[in-house]
Amino acid sequence: TQLLEQSPQFLSIQEGENLTVYCNSSSVFSSLQWYRQEPGEGPVLLVTVVTGGEVKKLKRLTFQFGDARKDSSLHITAAQPGDTGLYLCAAAYSGAGSYQLTFGKGTKLSVIP
Amino acid sequence: NAGVTQTPKFQVLKTGQSMTLQCAQDMNHEYMSWYRQDPGMGLRLIHYSVGAGITDQGEVPNGYNVSRSTTEDFPLRLLSAAPSQTSVYFCASSYSKGRGTGFREKLFFGSGTQLSVL
Repeated sequence: TQLLEQSPQFLSIQEGENLTVYCNSSSVFSSLQWYRQEPGEGPVLLVTVVTGGEVKKLKRLTFQFGDARKDSSLHITAAQPGDTGLYLCAAAYSGAGSYQLTFGKGTKLSVIP
Repeated sequence: NAGVTQTPKFQVLKTGQSMTLQCAQDMNHEYMSWYRQDPGMGLRLIHYSVGAGITDQGEVPNGYNVSRSTTEDFPLRLLSAAPSQTSVYFCASSYSKGRGTGFREKLFFGSGTQLSVL
């Protein structure tokens, strides 16, 4: 079983601050997804990154896939209260278990107005 | 647009009882899966299906059974509930099972079933 570590586990910041969430794997992954989950709801996909070194932007959110394809980061610029939620990374690996996603434990973000 | 529908939303069981969590999707998705979410543990895959009649085990399959007799439905059965199965359960589906070189399809999640086993 591949190990996917996400940090920090909790993050509480003031509105307007920047933040970065990290996702690291013990193995090379073929792709990585970032999801956001609000209380009482299922996760919703934000982005999928596939190519090493790839950077994708979604408004104030920037997603990066490490060159070695073992890490990824999510950076939020000028956080807003609406960004509050649980952020989950999910990695896919080729070979055995290739029809599965492995989720990190999540980063619970609170943005204080 | 119903998407992925899970029932019930909440359930309380006594140890040893059995029950079935229902999951239905109306998007003609090939792939369906069940996850459990526990505090500080993220989402862990229980079982998944790459098509009608085909199921396989995920990371934490013990104590759970599944079947996929139709494309639309993927029920999760607890044969003899235990307190360790107290959790929030999510069903998720995707259009494709992927090509076997690493799952990169978008997962659509239901809104979850909160299960408590006393």
